[in-house]
Amino acid sequence: AQSVTQLGSHVSVSEGALVLLRCNYSSSVPPYLFWYVQYPNQGLQLLLKYTTGATLVKGINGFEAEFKKSETSFHLTKPSAHMSDAAEYFCAGELNRDDKIIFGKGTRLHILP
Amino acid sequence: EAGVAQSPRYKIIEKRQSVAFWCNPISGHATLYWYQQILGQGPKLLIQFQNNGVVDDSQLPKDRFSAERLKGVDSTLKIQPAKLEDSAVYLCASSLPLRSGGYNEQFFGPGTRLTVL
Repeated sequence: AQSVTQLGSHVSVSEGALVLLRCNYSSSVPPYLFWYVQYPNQGLQLLLKYTTGATLVKGINGFEAEFKKSETSFHLTKPSAHMSDAAEYFCAGELNRDDKIIFGKGTRLHILP
Repeated sequence: EAGVAQSPRYKIIEKRQSVAFWCNPISGHATLYWYQQILGQGPKLLIQFQNNGVVDDSQLPKDRFSAERLKGVDSTLKIQPAKLEDSAVYLCASSLPLRSGGYNEQFFGPGTRLTVL
């Protein structure tokens, strides 16, 4: 079945430390993949996307993600965490390239001072 | 450019009551989506419109949920009667029409948080 799986519902990192949020997908065709961020009581904001071309994609706020077809992964990273990065992060994909987005369950990122 | 607008932002009702949510998409966006986001989960697509026609409503609980987009712009999502498990955030999103081989970004509104008591 086509799906998006996020590993870890909660991740805590210290301010200044590396952020790594994991995402794997299952798709029968090359997908479009996304990371969204959601701050409390706000809608979803697109952080970055992979559609075609370069597999390492850079997004806003210093985040980046790498599409690895062999590992069916699209992990999100940021070299140095900032307090303002505390939020819920959703990995998502158009797994059939049909305008229908399937979301993972989300990972809440906590930043420790 | 104005974003996707939704109202109300918050709604509290008792079970068995009815409720309606409104969405105004970005100007020129022909495709409109309603998602349900239950606490602790990712958004789940309820219904997708292309102009005023339904493209996909396979995940919409049609015994109690209905949605319309009569003039191909604004949309309303209704729940009647509401159940406790309908407590969630209801997100509206819009995008340009699907093009063959293309990618269209979905832009999300702030959502309506529904609490059913």
